[in-house]
Amino acid sequence: DADVTQTPRNRITKTGKRIMLECSQTKGHDRMYWYRQDPGLGLRLIYYSFDVKDINKGEISDGYSVSRQAQAKFSLSLESAIPNQTALYFCATSETGTGAGQPQHFGDGTRLSIL
Amino acid sequence: GEDVEQSLFLSVREGDSSVINCTYTDSSSTYLYWYKQEPGAGLQLLTYIFSNMDMKQDQRLTVLLNKKDKHLSLRIADTQTGDSAIYFCAENYGGATNKLIFGTGTLLAVQP
Repeated sequence: DADVTQTPRNRITKTGKRIMLECSQTKGHDRMYWYRQDPGLGLRLIYYSFDVKDINKGEISDGYSVSRQAQAKFSLSLESAIPNQTALYFCATSETGTGAGQPQHFGDGTRLSIL
Repeated sequence: GEDVEQSLFLSVREGDSSVINCTYTDSSSTYLYWYKQEPGAGLQLLTYIFSNMDMKQDQRLTVLLNKKDKHLSLRIADTQTGDSAIYFCAENYGGATNKLIFGTGTLLAVQP
C-alpha cells in the first residue's frame, strides 16, 4: 500500500465547479504539503501544514483552500475552478525536527483538467 | 527571490554516464535533494546532500556540490533505460520550515 495516497487520480470538471482533492498518509508525519506541477515550471508550493492546527500559504495559494482534518489527512479545495488551474497536483509529507534533511515523500498525483 | 535552474533535456546512450546539473541561488540552503519522476508517478527521493559536504556517493549515483558556485550535479553511472525519467533538484530554503524550491526538471532520455 502507498504511504501517501491521493484521490482521485484523475478528474475532469467544468469551470466554476467546486473540487476537493484528498490526501491521506500512513507515515505518521506531522508535516503535509500541496504542490502543483506545470510543464516547464517544476513544482510550486500551494499550502503547507505543520500539524492539525497549523495552515500556511505557499507560493501560489490564490484560488485554493485547504483543510487539515487529522494528522493523516490534508485536503485541497478549488472553490470555483478555472481552466488555468488545470495541472498535476501532488501531496507530500515530511517529519518534523532536525536530522537527516527531513525529505519530503510524495503521493502519485492527481491529474486535474478544467474545461 | 530563490531560484533553482536546470537544463530541460539530456540524451545519453545506455551504458554511458549521465550528468544532470542544477544551479541554485539561496546560499543558506542546508540540504539539497534529487528526485526522480517516472511517467504517471509521483516524485521519488533519490538522494540528498547536506550543505557542508562536497560529495555523496550511493551505488550508481554521485552527487557533487560546489557551494561557492551554488552548483549541484547528479551523476548516474552505467545509465540504463530504466533511468529514463524527469529529474528534479530541490533546495531547502525555509530552514526549520523545510520548504523546498524545485527546479524545472531535466528529462533524461536513455537510448538503447
